[in-house]
Amino acid sequence: DGGITQSPKYLFRKEGQNVTLSCEQNLNHDAMYWYRQDPGQGLRLIYYSQIVNDFQKGDIAEGYSVSREKKESFPLTVTSAQKNPTAFYLCASFNLRDSLYGYTFGSGTRLTVV
Amino acid sequence: AQSVTQLGSHVSVSEGALVLLRCNYSSSVPPYLFWYVQYPNQGLQLLLKYTTGATLVKGINGFEAEFKKSETSFHLTKPSAHMSDAAEYFCAVSDRGSSASKIIFGSGTRLSIRP
Repeated sequence: DGGITQSPKYLFRKEGQNVTLSCEQNLNHDAMYWYRQDPGQGLRLIYYSQIVNDFQKGDIAEGYSVSREKKESFPLTVTSAQKNPTAFYLCASFNLRDSLYGYTFGSGTRLTVV
Repeated sequence: AQSVTQLGSHVSVSEGALVLLRCNYSSSVPPYLFWYVQYPNQGLQLLLKYTTGATLVKGINGFEAEFKKSETSFHLTKPSAHMSDAAEYFCAVSDRGSSASKIIFGSGTRLSIRP
């Protein structure tokens, strides 16, 4: 079955550490997105990519980095510069050639700073 | 610029009662409209969408929404709430064509169901 896989489901980070969240899709979608979700704040866009080797900052990119070396993969690195990284992170993808279906979301990664 | 407003961050209804979650949008062109549902610690799942044609859209789990252009609304309803409907619901809007990839989400409405 096609879909998006996020791993790990739970991640613990020590202060000052960089961590990388994985997002893989086998839907052949062109565009991929990273959102951060905090209680009562909805979804906030971190980064997005519409093509391999290209990506754009979203509304809250500071302290995060991404890469898009393959169409299927869009990993997110939470750097030590992100002062409050504890949150639920969601990855999504979108088919640019068939826009009627909206985004497909992964099941999320919950990151906690310890 | 597009925007979405969900009225009420938290809605509580009794089991068996009508569910009404309100969504108003702002768009300069006819939009695509979506409702997504999120259960705890899970991703968002598409509930229903309006793209063109019939303005009353039926989705999964007995939900439906009506696109009202004159009111710029896309309210979500379900005639009879079930305990399993307890979740967070997000309304979303996008342009058509080349801008369809930029979906704007509302802030969400948490639905609670009272026994």
